[in-house]
Amino acid sequence: QVQLQESGPGLVKPSQTLSLTCTVSGGSINSGSHYWSWIRQPAGKGLEWIGRISSSGSADYNPSLKSRVTISVDMSKNQFSLKLSSVTAADTAVYYCARVVAAAGMDVWGEGTTVTVSS
Amino acid sequence: EIVLTQSPGTLSLSPGERATLSCRATQSISRNYLAWYQHKPGQAPRLLIYGASIRATGIPDRFSGSGSGTDFSLTISRLEPEDFAVYYCQQYVTSLYTFGQGTKLEIK
Repeated sequence: QVQLQESGPGLVKPSQTLSLTCTVSGGSINSGSHYWSWIRQPAGKGLEWIGRISSSGSADYNPSLKSRVTISVDMSKNQFSLKLSSVTAADTAVYYCARVVAAAGMDVWGEGTTVTVSS
Repeated sequence: EIVLTQSPGTLSLSPGERATLSCRATQSISRNYLAWYQHKPGQAPRLLIYGASIRATGIPDRFSGSGSGTDFSLTISRLEPEDFAVYYCQQYVTSLYTFGQGTKLEIK
């Protein structure tokens, strides 16, 4: 049974880079039929898709965040990562990682991690 | 970008009642690449429906999805106490996924 777990700093200073990692257990990240995605939810707001990456390293991003986002994959560690640069208070949110099954949506999610942007 | 609009924003119902949630897209979603998620506070979202009408593994049959093109709906036939949550639709037909803004299903 595949499980995902987010990790990273819970507090980031304004203008710095937010870095999170999602560790995949119970299965291989090197699957041609899956994408790996990041989603966030600011307090009191809805879900916002950040981006996705394939096991081959091909990534797609939300146009509203594209200039600041990088998603990468590390096969050797069975992990994928999110970097969001030049953060502001508006980037304060719960960040989730998820597995995307082609044609079937996001079927496995991490429990989420709260990131606060504050000095 | 495909924009998804969910209605109503909040739905107040009692256990045992039927709930119908709507999701409308700004352009046709081909192959019915539309999913529904349930989200409770402090928990990860849970995939309920994909392909507009296919229940995900372990989802009770009181949950059903329907629709095509630009109009989709999620129906909960008889509400159980654990069904009160926020529900999101999401399209994955393009490489730029989008979510609806959510419908909060609350106890009346």
